[in-house]
Amino acid sequence: DAMVIQNPRYQVTQFGKPVTLSCSQTLNHNVMYWYQQKSSQAPKLLFHYYDKDFNNEADTPDNFQSRRPNTSFCFLDIRSPGLGDAAMYLCATSSEGADSPLHFGNGTRLTVT
Amino acid sequence: GENVEQHPSTLSVQEGDSAVIKCTYSDSASNYFPWYKQELGKRPQLIIDIRSNVGEKKDQRIAVTLNKTAKHFSLHITETQPEDSAVYFCAATFYSGYALNFGKGTSLLVTP
Repeated sequence: DAMVIQNPRYQVTQFGKPVTLSCSQTLNHNVMYWYQQKSSQAPKLLFHYYDKDFNNEADTPDNFQSRRPNTSFCFLDIRSPGLGDAAMYLCATSSEGADSPLHFGNGTRLTVT
Repeated sequence: GENVEQHPSTLSVQEGDSAVIKCTYSDSASNYFPWYKQELGKRPQLIIDIRSNVGEKKDQRIAVTLNKTAKHFSLHITETQPEDSAVYFCAATFYSGYALNFGKGTSLLVTP
């Protein structure tokens, strides 16, 4: 089945220790997104790529970076995780932008100790 | 991003009753309004969407209405069932359609 796959499902990292979350898609969608979702809150957009064109939300902390080496893969790097970065990180894709349905991965739940 | 406001934040109904969730948006250029359902510990999943050239759309027990003049849209669930219990998010496009902004969510509880 075509899908959006996130690894790992659960990630534990130490305060200040860099961590990378990964996302892959078999949908061949042009657009990929990273959302951060904290408990009982809405998903908050961190970045999106339209093909290789990178777009950073104005309030995304500098501590967060992203890479999209090819159409299928996208990575979220957190350079120095703080306790406040503990959250569910959701990757999503869409075929032509946000005016087409988003397909979400199952997410990576990040714990910072 | 542009604001999307969603009400109510929690909603409890009895099985068989209807549930209505309302959202307003601020970007007059928004042209796509999806609704996502998120069950506990799972990913958001699209349940219905509507585009700005349509006033209403229905899919079995779920319907969405859009009033572009007033910049608000609503989700209607009829004949609710316990499996409808979840958090529902409305969303609207911004950035010329490249990204979505989500409402804060409505936690719907359907009691048997």
